[in-house]
Amino acid sequence: GAVVSQHPSRVICKSGTSVKIECRSLDFQATTMFWYRQFPKQSLMLMATSNEGSKATYEQGVEKDKFLINHASLTLSTLTVTSAHPEDSSFYICSARSGGYEQYFGPGTRLTVT
Amino acid sequence: AQTVTQSQPEMSVQEAETVTLSCTYDTSENNYYLFWYKQPPSRQMILVIRQEAYKQQNATENRFSVNFQKAAKSFSLKISDSQLGDTAMYFCAYAPVGDMRFGAGTRLTVKP
Repeated sequence: GAVVSQHPSRVICKSGTSVKIECRSLDFQATTMFWYRQFPKQSLMLMATSNEGSKATYEQGVEKDKFLINHASLTLSTLTVTSAHPEDSSFYICSARSGGYEQYFGPGTRLTVT
Repeated sequence: AQTVTQSQPEMSVQEAETVTLSCTYDTSENNYYLFWYKQPPSRQMILVIRQEAYKQQNATENRFSVNFQKAAKSFSLKISDSQLGDTAMYFCAYAPVGDMRFGAGTRLTVKP
């Protein structure tokens, strides 16, 4: 149980375009979803927290107009990287929680901006 | 501020031996959870073990156990009988109600 999927697993896009990453909780209802960014050989950095039906809360230094997060249902959250640039290339990981303390992680999405 | 510190960027251990990864954290909260996650080259985060702060008994999961010292805010992970498949990045995580904060990670290599 507690499976979280992400789509796509890898994406390459051109500079200036937008890309959407989906995060789904497959077998539970996720009241809260989290988006992390991970650079090579570094730890996970929390970007934002989203609760179903409300606006996401962004961490300090994360541009909310660039990283649009939508949590429209209890099983789906999306992260849209708008006007992507090469410095946005990274590994993006989502996680989901149905309550309590534990988060269940998706397999991640590798974004490359050329 | 709540921070998690892993002071060992890299460690290695011989197969079948025991290794301990250290983690300290800073918090003023009384109720929280602590986790150790394994991240293999696939980069999928895999839960290794969890500890509830209100429980004094140290958590164990097969070859994995923790030494939780609440007063010292220390949460080390012991891996017994190390296996080649244990080679990975290990992240310590602190979770109060609300979110989860990760340490910088320890890269563990198990040598044959």
